[in-house]
Amino acid sequence: AQSVDQPDAHVTLSEGASLELRCSYSYSAAPYLFWYVQYPGQSLQFLLKYITGDTVVKGTKGFEAEFRKSNSSFNLKKSPAHWSDSAKYFCALERGGSNYKLTFGKGTLLTVTP
Amino acid sequence: AQTIHQWPVAEIKAVGSPLSLGCTIKGKSSPNLYWYWQATGGTLQQLFYSITVGQVESVVQLNLSASRPKDDQFILSTEKLLLSHSGFYLCAWGGQYTEVFFGKGTRLTVV
Repeated sequence: AQSVDQPDAHVTLSEGASLELRCSYSYSAAPYLFWYVQYPGQSLQFLLKYITGDTVVKGTKGFEAEFRKSNSSFNLKKSPAHWSDSAKYFCALERGGSNYKLTFGKGTLLTVTP
Repeated sequence: AQTIHQWPVAEIKAVGSPLSLGCTIKGKSSPNLYWYWQATGGTLQQLFYSITVGQVESVVQLNLSASRPKDDQFILSTEKLLLSHSGFYLCAWGGQYTEVFFGKGTRLTVV
């Protein structure tokens, strides 16, 4: 079975600072990893993905993430952060095989203060 | 470009009443389709997926059912709502080693 852990329920930082949202996963084989963002009252939007290849992947809105197999992590980063980045961020994992199942972490609520 | 439309936008329903939520995907042939449920402030739980017309797989049992009557349509329903069904329901397409694209969702309140 696979699982995704986002250990920080809430992160607060000042505009202009660097942000890093943590995500770790548990899965024995090669994972497919994703980050999504949810603005208040809205649906989810795709940010970026790691499928294979380069371990640093770039996505939309200036975000990037680094896949580290050594510690099973896929942390989301952006510098500098902007107040408009305030939202809830979800990390998700899809495993190989034909089960079409996407497992989400509990999410990290990011607040960027002006 | 692909578009995904969900209906209704919001519902307030009584416990024990039936429910039907729908979504339609345009601009994509034979999409993989998904239903997700999000409790208020919570994570997302995948409920169902469908990779072809007429076939739906259940991921978690929540006294809900789903159907795919057309290639571009996915329906979520139940005959008897429970309080625990309240939340945000999201239809999505895509996936299988690539990103999914979510609809705008239906906010359901069961009273």
